[in-house]
Amino acid sequence: DVVMTQSPLSLPVTLGQPASISCRSSLSLVHSDGNTYLNWFQQRPGQSPRRLIYRVSNRDSGVPDRFSGSGSGTDFTLKISRVEAEDVGVYYCMQGTHWLTFGGGTKVEIK
Amino acid sequence: EMQLVESGGGLVQPGRSLRLSCTASGFTFGDYAMSWVRQAPGKGLEWVGFIRNKAFGGTTEYAASVKGRFTISRDDSKSIAYLQMNSLKTEDTAVYYCIRGYGGNWGQGTLVTVSS
Repeated sequence: DVVMTQSPLSLPVTLGQPASISCRSSLSLVHSDGNTYLNWFQQRPGQSPRRLIYRVSNRDSGVPDRFSGSGSGTDFTLKISRVEAEDVGVYYCMQGTHWLTFGGGTKVEIK
Repeated sequence: EMQLVESGGGLVQPGRSLRLSCTASGFTFGDYAMSWVRQAPGKGLEWVGFIRNKAFGGTTEYAASVKGRFTISRDDSKSIAYLQMNSLKTEDTAVYYCIRGYGGNWGQGTLVTVSS
């Protein structure tokens, strides 16, 4: 099974400052079809998760452009260019190349 | 507007069965795979399984933790996906989410509590 490891576990951020979350997989996420199925999700308190980024770097409709995804192979990053209060929540990476596996989550909070 | 509504959750004793439903609207249900993901209280997300659409054989895949106990099915004529859960264990207690595809859109979830 593919293991997804996120860091850090907790990320206190000052409003307006950038934030970065790392996600590493135990296997390459490059699919035989050439795509890399790595997604990022946001779960605000009391809400269902919502996808922010699909296939490493593609923002979903309605997602602010302060969110960006990058990476390749086994190492991936979600960046928030300037954290806003509404960004508080838990962020998960998920691979969809070898069935589905989620990372353990990173809790983003305001300092 | 696309919508996914889960139902069927509740309190059930260990060893018993429960069937969850996911009723979809606002999109062509038969064009999509449907997935189930769960979240134990205060914990992270865990993939349960998915069912491909008919164009890809309508086949299913499951996480090791539920394989042999859970079954996913679909009724494209009704736009409903099902999660049949048998031989339930206390560790199956979680909010169960229905998802379009492999992560694109999520329902609000339904809570399953397995306890005597």
